[in-house]
Amino acid sequence: AQRVTQPEKLLSVFKGAPVELKCNYSYSGSPELFWYVQYSRQRLQLLLRHISRESIKGFTADLNKGETSFHLKKPFAQEEDSAMYYCALIRGSTLGRLYFGRGTQLTVWP
Amino acid sequence: DAGVIQSPRHEVTEMGQEVTLRCKPISGHDYLFWYRQTMMRGLELLIYFNNNVPIDDSGMPEDRFSAKMPNASFSTLKIQPSEPRDSAVYFCASSLFSYEQFFGPGTRLTVL
Repeated sequence: AQRVTQPEKLLSVFKGAPVELKCNYSYSGSPELFWYVQYSRQRLQLLLRHISRESIKGFTADLNKGETSFHLKKPFAQEEDSAMYYCALIRGSTLGRLYFGRGTQLTVWP
Repeated sequence: DAGVIQSPRHEVTEMGQEVTLRCKPISGHDYLFWYRQTMMRGLELLIYFNNNVPIDDSGMPEDRFSAKMPNASFSTLKIQPSEPRDSAVYFCASSLFSYEQFFGPGTRLTVL
């Protein structure tokens, strides 16, 4: 069963425009949600996690339990934000195992 | 710390050959993960270990795939015999207490 859904495989915006990468999950318990990012020719790395409620590189993500969503947002996209973004979930019952979405390739045009 | 180390970075082999991918996790980490990334299926978890013990291998495609972790600083993923559909990027990742996972650079496997 698909636990993490990222409906957009590709997303393109112009520099300075707002960007929102969507993530929905299916889990009845209390998950921990993460966003991982893979820049060109770099390793996949953690961008942010919902539990820390912080803004990284201008990105924020709010966990909406009612809508089971964890969308990633940035008010003004930059060209260096172009990358592959993965939403991921840890279930309380399976510590250690991350469930990844299929990823969204974000392209920010100059 | 150099982070998670994987070797080789690129592997080209012919169908039917045995392929062994290697991973050295970050020292002190107690979880190790093997993933496969393809355009069609995205990032798939193949198997993961906790304290060198395999916990979940349900993602291993079939009996041709096997993984071992003989000690805390080394793991291998073996494909025997390899097939063209195994062509992908294979990632190893490690973590401490199951939270942030640190990924290696990946091994790009091409099976001709």
